[in-house]
Amino acid sequence: DAGVIQSPRHEVTEMGQEVTLRCKPISGHDYLFWYRQTMMRGLELLIYFNNNVPIDDSGMPEDRFSAKMPNASFSTLKIQPSEPRDSAVYFCASRDGTGVTYEQYFGPGTRLTVT
Amino acid sequence: AQSVTQPDIHITVSEGASLELRCNYSYGATPYLFWYVQSPGQGLQLLLKYFSGDTLVQGIKGFEAEFKRSQSSFNLRKPSVHWSDAAEYFCAVGAPSGSSNTGKLIFGQGTTLQVKP
Repeated sequence: DAGVIQSPRHEVTEMGQEVTLRCKPISGHDYLFWYRQTMMRGLELLIYFNNNVPIDDSGMPEDRFSAKMPNASFSTLKIQPSEPRDSAVYFCASRDGTGVTYEQYFGPGTRLTVT
Repeated sequence: AQSVTQPDIHITVSEGASLELRCNYSYGATPYLFWYVQSPGQGLQLLLKYFSGDTLVQGIKGFEAEFKRSQSSFNLRKPSVHWSDAAEYFCAVGAPSGSSNTGKLIFGQGTTLQVKP
């Protein structure tokens, strides 16, 4: 299996621009998670989906952030408009909810820089 | 509320020396426990996990961890550290099924391991 795939790996954009991060979970996994990692706040859960339905978006910082999962193999995290404080590494993770194991499998991340 | 504390932000050990990274959790019942490792520029990789049974669990890369209920701890150990072990290590807690937090993992702040030659 190719693992969790994220694109792009690096994104540099100017303040005010729209940014879209993409994630392809591991095939067969029914949970998908979006995290943000910064030096100041560590690893934060932004939102997670189960069977393409958002379950908990309490970690989404504000209305500028939105996430969708139109099908089982694709999810996006959008920031509009972007701000310098959004600069971080964004991780996508997935897991198989049908088994007894709870481990999540992480993608390589997208490093976002907003200037 | 669930929480995870990794008391050591940064640890330096010599290559070949033993290692112990501390993790304490707060949860009303026995949670599911995990250790992940993150190499520079990479995502998080699962090292090992505990759900039930034997309190000493073995993981990849020669790591092991021991669950101690009385101390609410899940410390990570390795008898002999290699230079390639230099990375950031995260402890995480997951709620068992039936909990309102089912599906989520709560991560500690991480411990950065530096290995001296």
